[in-house]
Amino acid sequence: AQKVTQAQTEISVVEKEDVTLDCVYETRDTTYYLFWYKQPPSGELVFLIRRNSFDEQNEISGRYSWNFQKSTSSFNFTITASQVVDSAVYFCAPKGSQFYFGTGTSLTVIP
Amino acid sequence: DAGITQSPRHKVTETGTPVTLRCHQTENHRYMYWYRQDPGHGLRLIHYSYGVKDTDKGEVSDGYSVSRSKTEDFLLTLESATSSQTSVYFCAITNQNSYEQYFGPGTRLTVT
Repeated sequence: AQKVTQAQTEISVVEKEDVTLDCVYETRDTTYYLFWYKQPPSGELVFLIRRNSFDEQNEISGRYSWNFQKSTSSFNFTITASQVVDSAVYFCAPKGSQFYFGTGTSLTVIP
Repeated sequence: DAGITQSPRHKVTETGTPVTLRCHQTENHRYMYWYRQDPGHGLRLIHYSYGVKDTDKGEVSDGYSVSRSKTEDFLLTLESATSSQTSVYFCAITNQNSYEQYFGPGTRLTVT
């Protein structure tokens, strides 16, 4: 079975600060995918990013960036210049044969 | 918009009554899933389906059954609801090319 640890339960930052959400996972699969999802206060789950386990190239997309390190089983997510609309719960989810979701990190961006 | 709807969106029921939640997709995806979301637990997989009449159990399947008679519909049934099944239930589909999983809007179920 897979295990996902999002050690940060709650984070608060002031608007325009950068914030990094941590994710550490365990898996026995040799090939897998890694996902981040966002759940705003309205409750829907929004897909943000997918990475393949064999692709460790990190990526930047607008204010979002991801740091995948297979050697440490970490898949961290950074928001630069945070905005109030970024306030949400963020879930890390590795996928081997099935998806496994972390317990989430609640991010509050204070104006 | 991934074309997933759930019904009902909200339901209050009494302990011991049967409850069926419906998930409908317009994407013709083979894989469909039911999750429950509870504080402190994230999302946990209840059951999933990999085709019409093909289903399998997830992490927290006790007390739940599912059926899939058509590609577009995946039903979750609580045969005899208990208070521990009070939760928010999400349906999801997976794009088998990209493996991206898309979620329905959720059903908030309260068992009194």
